[in-house]
Amino acid sequence: GNSVTQMEGPVTLSEEAFLTINCTYTATGYPSLFWYVQYPGEGLQLLLKATKADDKGSNKGFEATYRKETTSFHLEKGSVQVSDSAVYFCALIPYGNNRLAFGKGNQVVVIP
Amino acid sequence: GAGVSQSPSNKVTEKGKDVELRCDPISGHTALYWYRQRLGQGLEFLIYFQGNSAPDKSGLPSDRFSAERTGESVSTLTIQRTQQEDSAVYLCASSYRVGQTNYGYTFGSGTRLTVV
Repeated sequence: GNSVTQMEGPVTLSEEAFLTINCTYTATGYPSLFWYVQYPGEGLQLLLKATKADDKGSNKGFEATYRKETTSFHLEKGSVQVSDSAVYFCALIPYGNNRLAFGKGNQVVVIP
Repeated sequence: GAGVSQSPSNKVTEKGKDVELRCDPISGHTALYWYRQRLGQGLEFLIYFQGNSAPDKSGLPSDRFSAERTGESVSTLTIQRTQQEDSAVYLCASSYRVGQTNYGYTFGSGTRLTVV
């Protein structure tokens, strides 16, 4: 089946540190891949996406590259800010399908 | 409208009462999802509508839960005889696709349901 796996546990880091959140997936064919973000007290927002292999999605200083060889879509940001504190969800939609599959999410806490 | 609209934004109900949650998707979006998010947890899939096809109800937790959607318009999620464990934020999302590629879902702000 189609599934998304995110690294376990919350991520706590200092302002201006480098952030990586790992995401790997299992899917048939070529899924579309997404990162969603949920800021405290707010709804889910699409952060970035990539729809084919080797595509790089980017937004607000965040980047993720669609790696088919490693079935990964890791999220990175070079210098985080306190305002980046949120929960980040990796997700996929299989090719030819509308069924959205989410990872469990990672809480990111950025300390001043 | 410009986004996915959900109503009410907050609902407090007594245990045993029925509630109805509403979702207005983005115009032209053929697919619509309902998810549930309990406090501090991830998203739990409930039901999925795609155009006029039969909905995927495999995520509904019990027969107290049901949902309807007419064509590609408004959807309602109904919870009968609410229980305290139904307390959660109920999220609706809609999406579009071009050919076989889905360009991602837009989520509403959710309905926060509290059963007392």
